[in-house]
Amino acid sequence: NAGVMQNPRHLVRRRGQEARLRCSPMKGHSHVYWYRQLPEEGLKFMVYLQKENIIDESGMPKERFSAEFPKEGPSILRIQQVVRGDSAAYFCASSPMGARAGANVLTFGAGSRLTVL
Amino acid sequence: AQKVTQAQTEISVVEKEDVTLDCVYETRDTTYYLFWYKQPPSGELVFLIRRNSFDEQNEISGRYSWNFQKSTSSFNFTITASQVVDSAVYFCALSEARETSGSRLTFGEGTQLTVNP
Repeated sequence: NAGVMQNPRHLVRRRGQEARLRCSPMKGHSHVYWYRQLPEEGLKFMVYLQKENIIDESGMPKERFSAEFPKEGPSILRIQQVVRGDSAAYFCASSPMGARAGANVLTFGAGSRLTVL
Repeated sequence: AQKVTQAQTEISVVEKEDVTLDCVYETRDTTYYLFWYKQPPSGELVFLIRRNSFDEQNEISGRYSWNFQKSTSSFNFTITASQVVDSAVYFCALSEARETSGSRLTFGEGTQLTVNP
């Protein structure tokens, strides 16, 4: 039973390039969450998606960041025109569609570590 | 808005000592869920426990125990007879029971626990 798969595990980009991070949720999970962890800090919520829908993007920066979770394929977090401040670990988590909001345990991937030169 | 505070940034103990990690939370909701996750040096996040706001029973799992007190809005985590393998960053997190946020977690800043031999 594969867990949450994230790739790439490490990504190096130069300022101004684009970064694409992919997340395949656990089998049977239809909810995906993206979090960002800056060095020496906790995890900050970015966006919550279900298949083909963005449910809550209140944590996403207003510019350059976007996310999608298409009907087929992984969820993608896209960062355009990266800057040094985007260097961080980006974690994806998934959960099943549980009966009660808030109760589901999120299963996290191993993270994608973005370094912007 | 919800908030989780882990006042202890770093704790260092010697093997076999008991150690308690503090967690204080804020929420206006009456229904919510509390979690602890472990992040070992390898970087992935490992789920440890979930409690709901209506269940104040303390829980023990091997060397781990959790003390949930609604009166003080605290959900503390104790490791008994600590081992070097317990060295990690530990995160406390809160989830509110709202459909629009799914099982979105608000994390504390984390406590870096170092267990020395």
